[in-house]
Amino acid sequence: DAGVIQSPRHEVTEMGQEVTLRCKPISGHDYLFWYRQTMMRGLELLIYFNNNVPIDDSGMPEDRFSAKMPNASFSTLKIQPSEPRDSAVYFCASSKGQLADTQYFGPGTRLTVL
Amino acid sequence: SQQGEEDPQALSIQEGENATMNCSYKTSINNLQWYRQNSGRGLVHLILIRSNEREKHSGRLRVTLDTSKKSSSLLITASRAADTASYFCATSRSGNTGKLIFGQGTTLQVKP
Repeated sequence: DAGVIQSPRHEVTEMGQEVTLRCKPISGHDYLFWYRQTMMRGLELLIYFNNNVPIDDSGMPEDRFSAKMPNASFSTLKIQPSEPRDSAVYFCASSKGQLADTQYFGPGTRLTVL
Repeated sequence: SQQGEEDPQALSIQEGENATMNCSYKTSINNLQWYRQNSGRGLVHLILIRSNEREKHSGRLRVTLDTSKKSSSLLITASRAADTASYFCATSRSGNTGKLIFGQGTTLQVKP
């Protein structure tokens, strides 16, 4: 299996622009997670899905952030409008079976908002 | 508040030496996991230890769990330069949704 795939790997945009990050989980995995990593705050869970349904979005920082999972093989995280403080590395991860089981991370998207 | 906190924040050793990293947490857990992150990469799962286990081994890795002290340690024996990375513990809280909460990590540098 190719593992978790994320695109783009790097994104540079200007404040106010819309940003869409994409993730393809490992086939057969039931759970999909979106994380954000910064030096100041470490690794934060933003939202996770189970069988394509959002279960917990309590980590989403504000209404500018939204996430969807239209099918088992694709998810998006959208930021509209983007702000400089959104600059971070965004990771997607997936896991199979139990929620607290091993998670497999993608390579991340490094987002820079100017 | 942070569920898992690693100690030390940074560790520098010579190749061949052992590296020990510690993780403390605050609430009861289902399991505790350790992950490694190489610079510019995603996290990679190393080992999972359940709340009813006290010790687990995987290759050069040894993990211990003391639920009475709410702490865990990760020992890497005979370290190699390739072990240079950040190491994170992640806890799954019991009586909760079980989602993982990651600590801030320990940055390990192994000098050749």
